[in-house]
Amino acid sequence: QVQLQESGPGLVKSSETLSLTCSVSGYSINRGYYWGWIRQSPGQGLEWIGSMYHNGNTYHNPSLRSRVSISVDTSNNQISLKLSSVTAADTAVYYCARMDCSGGGCYVSHYYMDVWGKGTTVTVSS
Amino acid sequence: QSVLTQPPSVSGAPGQRVTISCTGGSSNLGADYDVNWYQQLPGTAPRLLIYANTNRPSGVPDRFSGSKSATSASLAISGLQAEDEADYYCQSYDSSLSGYVFGTGTQVTVL
Repeated sequence: QVQLQESGPGLVKSSETLSLTCSVSGYSINRGYYWGWIRQSPGQGLEWIGSMYHNGNTYHNPSLRSRVSISVDTSNNQISLKLSSVTAADTAVYYCARMDCSGGGCYVSHYYMDVWGKGTTVTVSS
Repeated sequence: QSVLTQPPSVSGAPGQRVTISCTGGSSNLGADYDVNWYQQLPGTAPRLLIYANTNRPSGVPDRFSGSKSATSASLAISGLQAEDEADYYCQSYDSSLSGYVFGTGTQVTVL
């Protein structure tokens, strides 16, 4: 059974870099799948941040692209997220998710989030 | 600002059938990209409910069903139960944004 667990500082100062880690158990990252980050601001909806395939292919939300870095550490079976120059608008619950695809041809547009972590709350302080 | 629009709330009595709409445009649902649905119970992470328009993952009751047509999609919950009280989100891919987009979310209340 695949399980994902996010971890990282719960408080980050404005203008600094937010760094989170998603630890995956029950499945080896380098076997496949996309792995993504999604966030949810207080009382708001869901926002996709970015996704990475185990081979390094990465896609980012255009609105965050210049500030986002996603990497995979296959030796520790972890996915990492870095978001630079944070502001209060980046205060949110951050989720990592495994992304699977439907059908025979797995184009990037075919993927969906089938397993989610419980999320970790990050508050940006001034 | 989300490119997929959902009604803010829907409600129904136990046992009733409710539907949640998800309206998109030519660069997402209208481009024949699949729609997926997620359920988020209060204080918990989202859970995949429907994928590729109509498919249920194992463990999801058949009370939940999905459909898609042109630039819109729907999630139907039949035989509404108290445990269905949650927020529901649609999700798809958008070619203009080159990324995944979520709907605005719908809160389901069981009266």
